[in-house]
Amino acid sequence: QKEVEQDPGPLSVPEGAIVSLNCTYSNSAFQYFMWYRQYSRKGPELLMYTYSSGNKEDGRFTAQVDKSSKYISLFIRDSQPSDSATYLCAMSAESGGSNYKLTFGKGTLLTVNP
Amino acid sequence: GAVVSQHPSRVICKSGTSVKIECRSLDFQATTMFWYRQFPKQSLMLMATSNEGSKATYEQGVEKDKFLINHASLTLSTLTVTSAHPEDSSFYICSALGGTQETQYFGPGTRLLVL
Repeated sequence: QKEVEQDPGPLSVPEGAIVSLNCTYSNSAFQYFMWYRQYSRKGPELLMYTYSSGNKEDGRFTAQVDKSSKYISLFIRDSQPSDSATYLCAMSAESGGSNYKLTFGKGTLLTVNP
Repeated sequence: GAVVSQHPSRVICKSGTSVKIECRSLDFQATTMFWYRQFPKQSLMLMATSNEGSKATYEQGVEKDKFLINHASLTLSTLTVTSAHPEDSSFYICSALGGTQETQYFGPGTRLLVL
């Protein structure tokens, strides 16, 4: 079993739809959870950063973490064509220090159709 | 804030030559930087962790003599692909640990094509 599982999609939705992206993980030591957005041929861009369980909202984006289920989600409200990208979940057990390392999901390719 | 740059953005070279890629944190200091490789439609694969002033830590299966990493200052790390071969063609991305949130901020990537 891989440490982080993410459905690669592709996921295609109409403009204005609510998008739900998810990852599951197996390592209970993970405490820090991130979502990155990566446009084609570009580096990943940090979207959301959360610590432990709970919700975090930033504009049209909401990140949810359920540590008891080892499940994280990213919701995008009122999706726009400019949201079309690959979304990568990432997580770590540490926030820094010599043992710090990010473990990534494979990424979900999202297309928002106008 | 937390901007990371990479240079060059794209490079084409002949088989057997060496290529150097620079990664810079522009508005923060980064004691730790990371180098990743990404093949088409795949996720990022960590190659090595670079700590300022010390030797890099390589992931299993990554040849340290082939992928030379130098982190000589708090804002600059370099990756040199030595004696490049066509199978080294890939998208190389660096990241720097820091900023207001202690997480990784990524550069725009360098596309390497070895002929």
